[in-house]
Amino acid sequence: NAGVTQTPKFQVLKTGQSMTLQCAQDMNHEYMSWYRQDPGMGLRLIHYSVGAGITDQGEVPNGYNVSRSTTEDFPLRLLSAAPSQTSVYFCASSYAPPGEKLFFGSGTQLSVL
Amino acid sequence: QQQVKQSPQSLIVQKGGISIINCAYENTAFDYFPWYQQFPGKGPALLIAIRPDVSEKKEGRFTISFNKSAKQFSLHIMDSQPGDSATYFCAASSPGNTPLVFGKGTRLSVIA
Repeated sequence: NAGVTQTPKFQVLKTGQSMTLQCAQDMNHEYMSWYRQDPGMGLRLIHYSVGAGITDQGEVPNGYNVSRSTTEDFPLRLLSAAPSQTSVYFCASSYAPPGEKLFFGSGTQLSVL
Repeated sequence: QQQVKQSPQSLIVQKGGISIINCAYENTAFDYFPWYQQFPGKGPALLIAIRPDVSEKKEGRFTISFNKSAKQFSLHIMDSQPGDSATYFCAASSPGNTPLVFGKGTRLSVIA
């Protein structure tokens, strides 16, 4: 049972480039979310989804796009990378409701130069 | 406005001592209060959680104390060990499809 799988583990981008962070879970969880973790800022919610076809914005959604076409996958797209998006990104899922036990992936460390 | 305020930012405790991390909240609709533990290079993992119908929950060396009237809750780690060295996050959520909101985290170092 793989749990929540994030790829890539590390990524370096140049300002203005776009990319997609992948997240997949094999637990049949309805709820999935993306957080970013910055020193001294804790975990801040970017976007979340309560089921396939349903997404909503979190605390810091600007510059990011998501879609949820299947229960298993919840990719996070950076439209035009900026240095302020340098961070560690975590994907998480839970069976239900979204505030209950979250299972986190191991993270993607992103640097934008 | 930060919904969950966590303190201290960092904490150094001697092996065998008690580690105490505190959180405060304003939203009285919150009804679920978990703590997550994160080791370096890993994602956070649920450690222990409490609901407001009880004032304390204990799992092994980890205890959550909850004070509904003060809108505060805390994590106590008894007999702290070097293996407990990690970042701890408190969090809170309200009923329905509302996501967890996290505190800013406490970096705990347990020294021998």
